[in-house]
Formats: sequence, structure tokens, C-alpha cells
Amino acid sequence: AQTIHQWPVAEIKAVGSPLSLGCTIKGKSSPNLYWYWQATGGTLQQLFYSITVGQVESVVQLNLSASRPKDDQFILSTEKLLLSHSGFYLCACRDNSNERLFFGHGTKLSVL
Amino acid sequence: QQKVQQSPESLTVSEGAMASLNCTFSDGTSNNFRWYRQHSAKGLEVLVSIFSDGEKEEGRFTAHLNRANLHVSLHIREPQPSDSAVYLCAVNYGSSGNKLIFGIGTLLSVKP
Repeated sequence: AQTIHQWPVAEIKAVGSPLSLGCTIKGKSSPNLYWYWQATGGTLQQLFYSITVGQVESVVQLNLSASRPKDDQFILSTEKLLLSHSGFYLCACRDNSNERLFFGHGTKLSVL
Repeated sequence: QQKVQQSPESLTVSEGAMASLNCTFSDGTSNNFRWYRQHSAKGLEVLVSIFSDGEKEEGRFTAHLNRANLHVSLHIREPQPSDSAVYLCAVNYGSSGNKLIFGIGTLLSVKP
């Protein structure tokens, strides 16, 4: 079974500072990968998805970018954080046999 | 773009009584619908996925889909206090099936 590891677990950053969140998938080759974000008290929103290495599609524009440098790795980043970036970030992988999504445990980001 | 609304916002039931949650969507051409629950400690877990009109059961969780009415529901049989969580309805959209939109969730509390 696939496992999803996200890092860091939590991060406190200053407005204007850079950010990099990571996600690694084990146990599945060529996974479809996704980034989701949930503001405190808000809806879970899809940010990006990637079907293959080097290819990323943006779903919602939030002044963030994503990259897929390796088959098992998905990175979310920005050069300048905004207060509005605070929230909970989830990485997910799709099981192509039943189209279910499996989520990592998430990263809690606080921008001050 | 697909819009997803959930009701009620919160629901309290007694242990053992059936819990029913509702989800309406705006575009009936989506090809799959899922229910997730979000525990603060356990993260996000998938409960049931449904692709065709009718019923799909996974353990104590049953989803009912009616595309004509733009409605999908979740019924939890014999709920327990450990089922207390936020329940999220998710609907896919887009031709590739890689875009997913979530409802804002229903907070379920199960009283012993």
C-alpha cells in the first residue's frame, strides 16, 4: 500500500519569506499527485495536480507554485509568503484502480 | 465550475441512531462522488466513492446518488462517538477527472 509523507509537520513563517513544502509517495509508481489547502474554518481547495514528472497543472491561483522533480516527489513553494497563505496543506495521491484519493497527514502553516 | 453545498452544517445524533448527511452539486456530468471525513488527529480518510445512480455501501457507510436531483447523501448506520468528525462531500470535474471540489463539510457529533 502507498504511504504519503509530508514535511514539515508544521511551520511558522514571516510574511514575505520563502516557503517549501514537500511530499513523498512510497509504494506506488507514476502516481497522480495533488496539493490541497484549507484555510482555518474554510473549505478544502485543490491547488495543483500532476500526472507525471515535470508536469504540473494549476487549479486555483494563490501565488504559489508546485513542481514534480521526481516520480515520487511533489513540492509546493513560494518566494514570498502572504498572510492569506496560512492554513493546512495536504498532499494526496490517487489510487487509479478505484480513483480514491489518499492523503498525507498535512502541514500546518502559520504566516505571521 | 462545479459548486458543492453540504447540509446540515452541524448534526448531533445519539449513539446507534442513523445519521444522514446531504450534498448537492451544480453539474450532473461529474463522473464520481466521494465522502471523506476529517478527524483532527487522523487526517482525511475516504469513506465511500460512488459513480452510478443508486446506492453504494462500505461497512456502516452508505452513499446514495441521484444525478437527476443533483444530490448525493451519506448515511451512517449505528454511529459511535468515535465517528464524531467533519464529513466532506467531494465531486470531481474537468475532462481529465483530476480536479476535485469539496463542500465545506458537516460537523457530526455522536453522543453516547
